[in-house]
Amino acid sequence: QSALTQPRSVSGSPGQSVTISCTGTSSDVGTYNYVSWYQQNSGKAPKLMIYDVTQRPSGVPDRFSGSKSGNTASLTISGLQAEDEADYYCCLNTDSYFYVFGTGTTVTVL
Amino acid sequence: EVQLVESGGGLVQPGGSLRLSCAASGFTFSRLWMHWVRQAPGEGLVWVSRIISDYNTARYADSVKGRFTISRDNAKNTLYLQMESLRAEDTAVYYCATGEGNYYDRWGQGTLVTVSS
Repeated sequence: QSALTQPRSVSGSPGQSVTISCTGTSSDVGTYNYVSWYQQNSGKAPKLMIYDVTQRPSGVPDRFSGSKSGNTASLTISGLQAEDEADYYCCLNTDSYFYVFGTGTTVTVL
Repeated sequence: EVQLVESGGGLVQPGGSLRLSCAASGFTFSRLWMHWVRQAPGEGLVWVSRIISDYNTARYADSVKGRFTISRDNAKNTLYLQMESLRAEDTAVYYCATGEGNYYDRWGQGTLVTVSS
């Protein structure tokens, strides 16, 4: 199972919106609605930001949102803040067939 | 408080063995499927292995199949990863992780495994 494809980096100014894509195939992302997103700060464990494509765990700011179209899932950060600067990973976990992470994206706040 | 605490990492020579442990607390460990995820220095997250709640069914990434064995002791609330025939490319921080659904909402702090002569 190959890693899901993410852009290496995205950037934006405070207050802007940025979107991170996560591209798979019709057999994985295109079929299953089990895409989750993780934020990882340097040297720290990942933190769950979005699960089941669009669901936001308690405590995660509502400026983080998820979506999916075809074989591509996306994470949007609206109203970008300095504290959002981190690495972000998508993941497809079906508990049966697929356990695969994306290649990772570094978000830089300008 | 939910906690996952990994231990057992360290420096090992190529071809050597190591056993990682992950002690769980604050939730019903026996109910949940458990996973190991690793991250090589400067690289991304990679899924390694998972074991379902009743011990018997495990799956592995192709890169570790036949060399790593995942197991669990539900009485001790502990997950294990036995690693054999270690290679330089196994060098990574190893995290245990789990969740109530098809995601990981609980992560340990990670334990570093370095394979080098």
